[in-house]
Amino acid sequence: DIQMTQSPSTLSASVGDRITITCRASQNINTWLAWYQHKPGGAPKLLIHKASNLESGVPSRFSGGGSGTEFTLTISCLQPDDFATYYCQQYNTYSHFTFGGGTKVEMK
Amino acid sequence: EVQLVESGGGLVQPGGSLRLSCVASGLTTTTPWMSWVRQAPGKGLEWVANIGQDGSATYYGDSVKGRFTISRDNAQNSVYLQMDYLRGDDTAVFYCAQGGRAGAFDVWGQGTVVTVSS
Repeated sequence: DIQMTQSPSTLSASVGDRITITCRASQNINTWLAWYQHKPGGAPKLLIHKASNLESGVPSRFSGGGSGTEFTLTISCLQPDDFATYYCQQYNTYSHFTFGGGTKVEMK
Repeated sequence: EVQLVESGGGLVQPGGSLRLSCVASGLTTTTPWMSWVRQAPGKGLEWVANIGQDGSATYYGDSVKGRFTISRDNAQNSVYLQMDYLRGDDTAVFYCAQGGRAGAFDVWGQGTVVTVSS
Protein backbone atom coordinates (compact mmCIF):
# COMPACT_ATOMS: atom_id res chain seq x y z
CA ASP A 1 0.00 0.00 0.00
CA ILE A 2 1.09 3.55 -0.73
CA GLN A 3 1.95 5.68 2.29
CA MET A 4 1.72 9.48 2.25
CA THR A 5 4.00 11.58 4.46
CA GLN A 6 3.05 15.20 4.93
CA SER A 7 5.22 17.94 6.44
CA PRO A 8 5.22 19.93 8.54
CA SER A 9 2.48 18.69 10.84
CA THR A 10 1.98 22.22 12.18
CA LEU A 11 2.87 25.51 10.52
CA SER A 12 2.70 28.89 12.29
CA ALA A 13 2.24 31.81 9.91
CA SER A 14 0.87 35.33 9.58
CA VAL A 15 -1.60 36.91 7.20
CA GLY A 16 0.25 37.77 3.99
CA ASP A 17 2.86 35.03 4.34
CA ARG A 18 3.72 32.61 1.56
CA ILE A 19 3.61 29.05 2.84
CA THR A 20 4.41 25.66 1.36
CA ILE A 21 3.29 22.21 2.52
CA THR A 22 5.03 19.08 1.27
CA CYS A 23 3.63 15.62 0.64
CA ARG A 24 5.75 12.58 -0.18
CA ALA A 25 4.44 9.29 -1.57
CA SER A 26 6.13 5.97 -0.80
CA GLN A 27 5.98 5.05 -4.50
CA ASN A 28 5.32 6.69 -7.84
CA ILE A 29 1.74 8.02 -8.12
CA ASN A 30 2.32 10.11 -11.28
CA THR A 31 0.09 13.14 -10.67
CA TRP A 32 -2.82 11.37 -8.92
CA LEU A 33 -2.66 13.71 -5.97
CA ALA A 34 -5.29 15.97 -4.42
CA TRP A 35 -5.20 18.64 -1.71
CA TYR A 36 -8.05 19.44 0.67
CA GLN A 37 -8.77 22.15 3.22
CA HIS A 38 -10.62 21.08 6.36
CA LYS A 39 -12.04 23.29 9.07
CA PRO A 40 -13.48 22.06 12.41
CA GLY A 41 -17.13 21.07 12.17
CA GLY A 42 -17.21 21.25 8.40
CA ALA A 43 -16.68 19.01 5.41
CA PRO A 44 -13.31 18.86 3.67
CA LYS A 45 -13.03 21.03 0.57
CA LEU A 46 -11.18 20.04 -2.60
CA LEU A 47 -8.56 22.63 -3.56
CA ILE A 48 -6.32 20.93 -6.10
CA HIS A 49 -6.65 17.72 -8.14
CA LYS A 50 -4.28 15.95 -10.51
CA ALA A 51 -1.44 17.57 -8.53
CA SER A 52 -1.76 21.04 -10.06
CA ASN A 53 -5.33 21.57 -11.30
CA LEU A 54 -7.14 24.26 -9.33
CA GLU A 55 -10.71 23.25 -8.47
CA SER A 56 -13.38 25.62 -9.76
CA GLY A 57 -14.07 28.47 -7.34
CA VAL A 58 -10.82 28.07 -5.38
CA PRO A 59 -8.79 31.30 -5.14
CA SER A 60 -5.71 31.54 -7.35
CA ARG A 61 -3.43 32.08 -4.33
CA PHE A 62 -3.56 28.29 -3.94
CA SER A 63 -1.30 26.29 -6.22
CA GLY A 64 -0.05 22.73 -6.41
CA GLY A 65 2.98 21.13 -8.01
CA GLY A 66 5.03 18.00 -8.29
CA SER A 67 4.82 14.53 -9.79
CA GLY A 68 6.00 11.04 -9.02
CA THR A 69 6.63 11.04 -5.27
CA GLU A 70 7.12 14.69 -4.28
CA PHE A 71 4.32 17.25 -4.18
CA THR A 72 3.72 20.72 -2.80
CA LEU A 73 0.80 22.95 -1.91
CA THR A 74 1.60 26.67 -1.83
CA ILE A 75 -0.53 29.52 -0.57
CA SER A 76 1.01 32.66 -2.02
CA CYS A 77 -0.49 35.25 0.33
CA LEU A 78 -2.14 33.75 3.41
CA GLN A 79 -5.59 35.14 4.20
CA PRO A 80 -7.52 34.94 7.50
CA ASP A 81 -9.88 32.34 5.97
CA ASP A 82 -6.93 30.04 5.18
CA PHE A 83 -6.18 29.01 8.77
CA ALA A 84 -7.24 25.37 8.67
CA THR A 85 -5.87 21.86 8.35
CA TYR A 86 -4.69 20.69 4.93
CA TYR A 87 -4.49 17.11 3.69
CA CYS A 88 -2.97 15.51 0.64
CA GLN A 89 -4.55 12.36 -0.84
CA GLN A 90 -3.24 9.88 -3.37
CA TYR A 91 -5.73 8.20 -5.72
CA ASN A 92 -3.38 6.30 -8.00
CA THR A 93 -5.64 3.25 -7.94
CA TYR A 94 -9.27 2.87 -6.87
CA SER A 95 -8.33 -0.20 -4.86
CA HIS A 96 -6.58 1.88 -2.22
CA PHE A 97 -6.62 5.59 -1.45
CA THR A 98 -4.46 7.22 1.21
CA PHE A 99 -4.48 10.57 2.99
CA GLY A 100 -1.46 12.31 4.42
CA GLY A 101 -1.39 12.98 8.15
CA GLY A 102 -2.44 16.61 7.77
CA THR A 103 -0.85 20.03 8.26
CA LYS A 104 -2.46 22.46 10.67
CA VAL A 105 -1.86 26.07 9.62
CA GLU A 106 -2.17 28.25 12.69
CA MET A 107 -1.79 31.92 13.44
CA LYS A 108 1.66 32.96 14.58
CA GLU B 1 -24.98 21.29 -7.94
CA VAL B 2 -24.73 17.89 -6.30
CA GLN B 3 -25.38 17.66 -2.57
CA LEU B 4 -24.76 14.66 -0.33
CA VAL B 5 -26.59 14.03 2.95
CA GLU B 6 -25.55 11.27 5.34
CA SER B 7 -27.69 9.65 8.01
CA GLY B 8 -27.69 6.62 10.28
CA GLY B 9 -24.99 7.52 12.77
CA GLY B 10 -25.44 7.05 16.49
CA LEU B 11 -24.28 5.27 19.62
CA VAL B 12 -23.67 1.53 19.37
CA GLN B 13 -22.07 -1.01 21.67
CA PRO B 14 -18.81 -2.77 20.78
CA GLY B 15 -19.54 -5.75 18.56
CA GLY B 16 -22.71 -4.14 17.27
CA SER B 17 -23.80 -3.05 13.81
CA LEU B 18 -24.88 0.17 12.15
CA ARG B 19 -25.90 1.10 8.60
CA LEU B 20 -25.04 4.52 7.22
CA SER B 21 -26.87 6.04 4.26
CA CYS B 22 -25.89 8.80 1.86
CA VAL B 23 -28.41 10.37 -0.50
CA ALA B 24 -27.35 12.50 -3.45
CA SER B 25 -29.50 15.30 -4.83
CA GLY B 26 -29.14 17.76 -7.68
CA LEU B 27 -27.91 15.06 -10.05
CA THR B 28 -28.08 15.05 -13.81
CA THR B 29 -26.37 11.69 -14.31
CA THR B 30 -25.46 8.65 -12.23
CA THR B 31 -22.76 9.61 -9.79
CA PRO B 32 -19.31 8.26 -10.48
CA TRP B 33 -17.23 6.43 -7.92
CA MET B 34 -18.49 7.05 -4.40
CA SER B 35 -16.61 6.67 -1.15
CA TRP B 36 -16.75 6.80 2.61
CA VAL B 37 -14.06 8.67 4.55
CA ARG B 38 -13.86 8.99 8.32
CA GLN B 39 -12.16 11.14 10.94
CA ALA B 40 -11.67 9.81 14.45
CA PRO B 41 -11.54 12.34 17.30
CA GLY B 42 -8.23 14.22 17.21
CA LYS B 43 -7.05 12.30 14.16
CA GLY B 44 -6.73 12.92 10.43
CA LEU B 45 -8.84 11.80 7.50
CA GLU B 46 -8.91 8.07 6.75
CA TRP B 47 -10.23 6.52 3.54
CA VAL B 48 -12.72 3.74 4.35
CA ALA B 49 -14.22 2.34 1.13
CA ASN B 50 -14.87 2.91 -2.59
CA ILE B 51 -17.65 1.68 -4.86
CA GLY B 52 -17.76 1.89 -8.65
CA GLN B 53 -20.53 3.40 -10.72
CA ASP B 54 -22.47 0.15 -11.21
CA GLY B 55 -21.66 -1.26 -7.77
CA SER B 56 -19.69 -4.22 -9.07
CA ALA B 57 -16.30 -2.96 -7.86
CA THR B 58 -15.76 -2.36 -4.15
CA TYR B 59 -12.57 -1.71 -2.20
CA TYR B 60 -11.83 -1.26 1.50
CA GLY B 61 -9.21 0.12 3.81
CA ASP B 62 -7.25 -2.45 5.79
CA SER B 63 -8.77 -1.42 9.13
CA VAL B 64 -12.35 -2.17 8.01
CA LYS B 65 -11.87 -5.02 5.52
CA GLY B 66 -14.12 -7.97 6.40
CA ARG B 67 -16.27 -5.89 8.78
CA PHE B 68 -17.71 -3.11 6.58
CA THR B 69 -19.66 -3.42 3.32
CA ILE B 70 -20.26 -0.57 0.86
CA SER B 71 -23.19 -0.74 -1.55
CA ARG B 72 -25.28 1.57 -3.71
CA ASP B 73 -28.74 1.90 -5.21
CA ASN B 74 -28.54 4.15 -8.27
CA ALA B 75 -32.31 4.27 -8.63
CA GLN B 76 -32.44 5.88 -5.19
CA ASN B 77 -29.25 7.95 -5.71
CA SER B 78 -27.97 6.36 -2.52
CA VAL B 79 -24.81 4.82 -1.13
CA TYR B 80 -24.67 2.74 2.03
CA LEU B 81 -22.09 1.54 4.52
CA GLN B 82 -23.00 -1.53 6.55
CA MET B 83 -20.73 -1.65 9.59
CA ASP B 84 -20.52 -4.88 11.58
CA TYR B 85 -18.35 -5.99 14.51
CA LEU B 86 -17.84 -2.37 15.48
CA ARG B 87 -14.95 -1.49 17.78
CA GLY B 88 -14.08 1.51 19.90
CA ASP B 89 -11.56 2.72 17.34
CA ASP B 90 -14.35 2.96 14.76
CA THR B 91 -15.67 6.00 16.65
CA ALA B 92 -15.51 8.82 14.10
CA VAL B 93 -17.31 11.27 11.89
CA PHE B 94 -18.14 9.41 8.68
CA TYR B 95 -18.29 11.39 5.45
CA CYS B 96 -19.78 10.35 2.14
CA ALA B 97 -17.82 11.71 -0.82
CA GLN B 98 -18.11 11.73 -4.60
CA GLY B 99 -15.00 10.94 -6.62
CA GLY B 100 -15.93 13.26 -9.46
CA ARG B 101 -12.35 14.22 -10.33
CA ALA B 102 -11.17 10.74 -11.41
CA GLY B 103 -11.04 9.76 -7.74
CA ALA B 104 -10.42 13.10 -6.07
CA PHE B 105 -13.41 13.98 -3.90
CA ASP B 106 -15.15 17.03 -5.35
CA VAL B 107 -18.36 16.77 -3.30
CA TRP B 108 -18.65 15.85 0.40
CA GLY B 109 -21.51 15.43 2.81
CA GLN B 110 -21.52 17.14 6.19
CA GLY B 111 -20.83 13.89 8.01
CA THR B 112 -22.60 11.63 10.49
CA VAL B 113 -21.20 10.76 13.91
CA VAL B 114 -20.67 7.15 14.95
CA THR B 115 -19.81 6.43 18.58
CA VAL B 116 -18.89 2.91 19.66
CA SER B 117 -19.04 2.59 23.43
CA SER B 118 -20.56 0.46 26.15
